[in-house]
Amino acid sequence: DQQVKQNSPSLSVQEGRISILNCDYTNSMFDYFLWYKKYPAEGPTFLISISSIKDKNEDGRFTVFLNKSAKHLSLHIVPSQPGDSAVYFCAASAQGGSEKLVFGKGTKLTVNP
Amino acid sequence: EPEVTQTPSHQVTQMGQEVILRCVPISNHLYFYWYRQILGQKVEFLVSFYNNEISEKSEIFDDQFSVERPDGSNFTLKIRSTKLEDSAMYFCASSELSGSTDTQYFGPGTRLTVL
Repeated sequence: DQQVKQNSPSLSVQEGRISILNCDYTNSMFDYFLWYKKYPAEGPTFLISISSIKDKNEDGRFTVFLNKSAKHLSLHIVPSQPGDSAVYFCAASAQGGSEKLVFGKGTKLTVNP
Repeated sequence: EPEVTQTPSHQVTQMGQEVILRCVPISNHLYFYWYRQILGQKVEFLVSFYNNEISEKSEIFDDQFSVERPDGSNFTLKIRSTKLEDSAMYFCASSELSGSTDTQYFGPGTRLTVL
């Protein structure tokens, strides 16, 4: 069951450059999307979310873009910092229905100084 | 900043034993959840809880699992007879509003090891 897919298991970028993490989903009922960051031995930490009525949401260095027709979302981090190195999870839920979050497998981001 | 807390951080148990994992959700939150992550796999939903009853559960959440809010602050997950395949990180989460429209905040997790 791969309703939420993160096809890149890892990504490496230089400090100061842009990091782009991608996520695809198959369930057209999903209408609320979140990105979480996770360090080893810690729980997922909420970063940013977007509702399907929007196509962009920005919070400081983090911007999430949603392309509903392509069932694709991306997280942009600009500029990337070494402290951003972590595993990033995309998650989705269906409004008015299930309360559960469906997670992708995660992308491990490494920001090199 | 309010946060979800979980105890213990690591629990080791023998197969067939009962374990109780504990969580203290964020104080003004009304919706509570348990998720788990088996090593190398995705974070998976187990159960959601609202107004003192289960609102949704996954196929994983079979009869050996139960949840309870024994008082105004704690939220527990009980596994009655643990199996080797229950070894995983268990995450508690909470949200102020329904998780389908609101952000779920996660605790640091309990690593359960079943021997």
